[in-house]
Amino acid sequence: GEDVEQSLFLSVREGDSSVINCTYTDSSSTYLYWYKQEPGAGLQLLTYIFSNMDMKQDQRLTVLLNKKDKHLSLRIADTQTGDSAIYFCAESMRGSQGNLIFGKGTKLSVKP
Amino acid sequence: GAVVSQHPSWVICKSGTSVKIECRSLDFQATTMFWYRQFPKQSLMLMATSNEGSKATYEQGVEKDKFLINHASLTLSTLTVTSAHPEDSSFYICSATELLLGAETEAFFGQGTRLTVV
Repeated sequence: GEDVEQSLFLSVREGDSSVINCTYTDSSSTYLYWYKQEPGAGLQLLTYIFSNMDMKQDQRLTVLLNKKDKHLSLRIADTQTGDSAIYFCAESMRGSQGNLIFGKGTKLSVKP
Repeated sequence: GAVVSQHPSWVICKSGTSVKIECRSLDFQATTMFWYRQFPKQSLMLMATSNEGSKATYEQGVEKDKFLINHASLTLSTLTVTSAHPEDSSFYICSATELLLGAETEAFFGQGTRLTVV
């Protein structure tokens, strides 16, 4: 079945770049997403990319998609302590933007 | 941006009782609502999908008689956990999408409800 995998932890220093990686299995996914979850809070959509794109940039965020390898990455430039959170990669199922399969999340810790 | 409000944020209930969680779209019409469950240090797992005025579609392994979902209006969906047990303790989170000009928007998530059954 469909599966989304991502590393569980990442630690970086403030000001460095963070790169969070994700692999997925369903090649028919139309959209791939990155969500941010802060402690005790819901999910905030950070960015998403259509499956026919290779890259998307939005301010400090850069998403790279390698469709051949089914690999998605999120790069956060100039990482700040406020970026500390859990980042979830997700792919859409059955053609619906709300029907999502999530990875287990990568906990990003930013050290001052 | 679109706002989804979930209530309550947290609830503690006794084993055997039922708990209702509300999910409201505040500034848009939620054509479809989704209910997820998140266990500690685990991913979110989709429980069910509901369209306004229709019966919810449950994912495999989710008991529809235990997790009652109602989506009676375009702005409100409710999830009722019936006869709750400690193993139902989890973080429940809803999301909603809107159909605009025939295209589905991205999903907007509520802030989640932490349920603890004692």
